[in-house]
Amino acid sequence: KNQVEQSPQSLIILEGKNCTLQCNYTVSPFSNLRWYKQDTGRGPVSLTIMTFSENTKSNGRYTATLDADTKQSSLHITASQLSDSASYICVVSDNAGNMLTFGGGTRLMVKP
Amino acid sequence: DAMVIQNPRYQVTQFGKPVTLSCSQTLNHNVMYWYQQKSSQAPKLLFHYYDKDFNNEADTPDNFQSRRPNTSFCFLDIRSPGLGDAAMYLCATSAGMTGTGRYEQYFGPGTRLTVT
Repeated sequence: KNQVEQSPQSLIILEGKNCTLQCNYTVSPFSNLRWYKQDTGRGPVSLTIMTFSENTKSNGRYTATLDADTKQSSLHITASQLSDSASYICVVSDNAGNMLTFGGGTRLMVKP
Repeated sequence: DAMVIQNPRYQVTQFGKPVTLSCSQTLNHNVMYWYQQKSSQAPKLLFHYYDKDFNNEADTPDNFQSRRPNTSFCFLDIRSPGLGDAAMYLCATSAGMTGTGRYEQYFGPGTRLTVT
């Protein structure tokens, strides 16, 4: 069964600090991995998409890494801002069609 | 500019009273999705349309139906809402199948459904 596990479930950091969120998956055959940011009461917004051949991708202060061998991904947030407070969801797609497996998300709170 | 629009943003319905949620897109995307997201949980795919082809997830209750009258619009009908159907309902679109990694998936802001 395809699964995506994220850790930690929740995280509190101080404004200006860095943090790293983790995603482990067992989706097979693997096609691509996406990180989304979801503000409370809003729809998810895409941050990055990585395919099998990509091992890092940046979007401003967000940097995602992918290790397809160990089936792990991380999302690193640099110099956090209050507006980074949100849920971050890891989503993995197989290449058998249109199946997306969602992780449970990490709820990040950035405090002043 | 809003690309995936959901109306209403908040909907209150009574137990057992049919309700329809709407989604429209300005992206001319082939694929439209409906997700259910309960509090502190990941979105759960209910069904999707590829053009006019309807694809229902195996565990989506019969109580949930969908219509896509044209490329731009897609509707979620809940025939007899129960208390357990209270959730955020997210509509999303993509130009093609997300399995290739080539196509971004764009989400609407969601409709929060309350069942009284």
